[in-house]
Amino acid sequence: SAVISQKPSRDICQRGTSLTIQCQVDSQVTMMFWYRQQPGQSLTLIATANQGSEATYESGFVIDKFPISRPNLTFSTLTVSNMSPEDSSIYLCSCMSTANTEAFFGQGTRLTVV
Amino acid sequence: AQRVTQPEKLLSVFKGAPVELKCNYSYSGSPELFWYVQYSRQRLQLLLRHISRESIKGFTADLNKGETSFHLKKPFAQEEDSAMYYCALSNTGGFKTIFGAGTRLFVKA
Repeated sequence: SAVISQKPSRDICQRGTSLTIQCQVDSQVTMMFWYRQQPGQSLTLIATANQGSEATYESGFVIDKFPISRPNLTFSTLTVSNMSPEDSSIYLCSCMSTANTEAFFGQGTRLTVV
Repeated sequence: AQRVTQPEKLLSVFKGAPVELKCNYSYSGSPELFWYVQYSRQRLQLLLRHISRESIKGFTADLNKGETSFHLKKPFAQEEDSAMYYCALSNTGGFKTIFGAGTRLFVKA
């Protein structure tokens, strides 16, 4: 199994600013992912964070808006840039056990943009 | 296209009643199917996966490839089963997971 520490747990930010969310895993993992969960909706995959290379973004998400870093096999960051109220959501970090494809999740970051 | 459909947003049952949470999927290959659960104030966690064919907390789910379904069932619901349940699909090789919209199960006393 893997334990993920994600911070901050919540934040209230002014529009036009940026917020960086950190995700630390207690073991080395190959795959790390970032999801968004808007109010009342399901989890939407933003991107796969690749170690040593650029993240792979899903349709509708771009690097300029959601830059991602993955400096090593236990850590990743997601930045939400130039925020607007529409970015208000829960952002989740996830990693996958390559042994059995089970996904593990952080507690999430509840972001409110005012 | 890969898609997971959970038709019910909310399911309310009485304690002791059977419960079935529906899940249908579309995928062109051989997917792995999962059920994840999120209890109040807790993080999302794996409940069960079709490969293991096991019963967890009394829940079972059978993969029906003909109907492309993976419904979650429990014969006698308990109050502690109240939670948000997500059906999920992982692509071949398990490189990413796609989630359904989720079903909130409410078990009444």
